[in-house]
This record gives sequence, C-alpha cells and structure tokens, in this order.
Amino acid sequence: EVQLVQSGAEVKKPGESLKISCKGFGYSFTKYWLGWVRQMPGKGLEWMGIIYPADSDTRYSPSFEGRVTMSADRSISTVYLQWNSLEASDTAIYYCARQGDGYNTWGQGTLVTVSS
Amino acid sequence: DIQMTQSPSTLSASIGDRVTITCRASQTIGMWLAWYQQKPGKAPELLIYKASTLESGVPSRFSGSGFGTEFTLTISSLQPDDLATYYCQQYDNYSSFGQGTKLEIK
Repeated sequence: EVQLVQSGAEVKKPGESLKISCKGFGYSFTKYWLGWVRQMPGKGLEWMGIIYPADSDTRYSPSFEGRVTMSADRSISTVYLQWNSLEASDTAIYYCARQGDGYNTWGQGTLVTVSS
Repeated sequence: DIQMTQSPSTLSASIGDRVTITCRASQTIGMWLAWYQQKPGKAPELLIYKASTLESGVPSRFSGSGFGTEFTLTISSLQPDDLATYYCQQYDNYSSFGQGTKLEIK
C-alpha cells in the first residue's frame, strides 16, 4: 500500500526553527515528485512547492520562496520542510502529497502551532 | 502564477440533487485539472484528474468536464456522505488550488 507518513504535531515559539518530515512507503520513492500544501486554520489549500527526491530538484510557489526550504534524503525515502525563523502566521496544517496525475496520495498532515 | 477561481464558495443542496461546481483558470491549462474532496479533520482525497478521469474507487456519481480555462465538477445525485469542501487544482504550470466550495446538505 502506498503511504506517506508525516512527523507529529509541533508547538514552537516565534523565531524558532523547525523541520518536519514526510516518509514514503510502498512505492519507488525517487520516481515521483512530492508536493507540500499548507492549510491555515479554517482556510483553504495553498500550494507551497514540490521536490523531486531523485535529484532534489525543487520548485517553490512565489508566495513561499525564501520562507521555507524543501529537501530530500532518498536513502530513507523522506522529504523535509524547514523554517529558519517561524512566525505566528506559520500556524497551519502542512500536508505532503505524491504527484501522479493530480496528488493521488496524501500524508496525514502535520499541525504546526507557533505561539509565544 | 495561475489563479484558480471556484464558484460558488458555499452550496446548500438536498439529498438526490444534481450539484455543479465551477472552476476557472486565469490562463489556459489544457486538461491539467484535478478535483479533491476534503472532509472535516481529514486530508484531501483525489476525485478526478485530467479534468474528467475518475480516480479509482471514486463513486460514479462524480464527474468532471472542461478544457482550457473552464471546468466543472458534477455530483449527479447528492448523498449524505458528500458533505465536504471541494477544491480544484491546476497542475499545468507548477500548481495552485481554487479557494474551495463548501457543500452543505439541506
């Protein structure tokens, strides 16, 4: 069974750094692009960017470029989403999703809460 | 970047109704359009890709149509389990989502 399993919920203070993860199971990890999607509380889905784990080729939405960093470790079938300095407005659920035709597999989501 | 605009934002319908949601792209995206269903507290699920191809396991009451800049998602006979928010997504040029349509059951 194809699965994406994300790391657990995080509570951070403004200015802190954070790295969350998404691990793939049940498929050839390096053959599919993986995207990240933000969902702020009570709001819609926002596309953040996408990474190709085979070579870490990355494309960012202009809205998120410079604010986050996507990376991959293909040896452990894992992609990461990282912040160097969190803000309260980063409070959201973050989903990873595998791109086939559309995003056909989603992780369970990681809730990130940023509060002083 | 490509802007996706869904209408309506909220839709109230009765069981058995035919329901249609529209998605417009700010520039042509060919057939590269997907639809998702998101239930409260859950991750989104893919319903339709390439504008009109039903994802495996999705009930046949869901259908999609359109090409270029105008797309529709239709539920032929609304069921109680269809209570959810629906999103369109273009994946022609990077990607972007519509703002969502919340479907309420009357």
